[in-house]
Amino acid sequence: AQSVTQLGSHVSVSEGALVLLRCNYSSSVPPYLFWYVQYPNQGLQLLLKYTSAATLVKGINGFEAEFKKSETSFHLTKPSAHMSDAAEYFCAVVGSARQLTFGSGTQLTVLP
Amino acid sequence: GAGVSQSPSNKVTEKGKDVELRCDPISGHTALYWYRQSLGQGLEFLIYFQGNSAPDKSGLPSDRFSAERTGGSVSTLTIQRTQQEDSAVYLCASSPGTDLTDTQYFGPGTRLTVL
Repeated sequence: AQSVTQLGSHVSVSEGALVLLRCNYSSSVPPYLFWYVQYPNQGLQLLLKYTSAATLVKGINGFEAEFKKSETSFHLTKPSAHMSDAAEYFCAVVGSARQLTFGSGTQLTVLP
Repeated sequence: GAGVSQSPSNKVTEKGKDVELRCDPISGHTALYWYRQSLGQGLEFLIYFQGNSAPDKSGLPSDRFSAERTGGSVSTLTIQRTQQEDSAVYLCASSPGTDLTDTQYFGPGTRLTVL
């Protein structure tokens, strides 16, 4: 079975600082990985996805993630945090049955 | 274009009552998913519809939960004899087809509170 683990349920950064949200996967086959963001009282919005075309994936709002097979990781980064980035972020892997299996989420707080 | 819509946005019900939650997927999307988001369990897959194929019900937590999809479009999730542990946000998503890399587009969810 495939799974993802997100380290750090809460992350706080100062505005303008680097954002790093961690995601590690477990999979016996090459995984397809996703990062979603959820703003308060809203659904999930796709930030980016890894589909094996390129290991460095760029997404919306200045976010990017790098697939590292040797580390079984797919960490999400943004060079400079903005107040509007405050939200909950979910890493997910898609299974053979097409369902997404999500990590437990990381709540990002951006401090002024 | 229009995204995935869900209704109602909020539903408060009494323990033991039945509830129906509705999902309108993006037009033309053949795949439809239901997920549940709760404080204790996080985001969980419930059921998956693909075209006219039999749905994948492997995520449904009990036989009180059922779902149907009419005409390959609108879907209804029904919870019978609701329990307090059913309180959660129910999210619907749709995707264009069957490719594993297809993006799933989520609706805003229905917040269910069982008193």
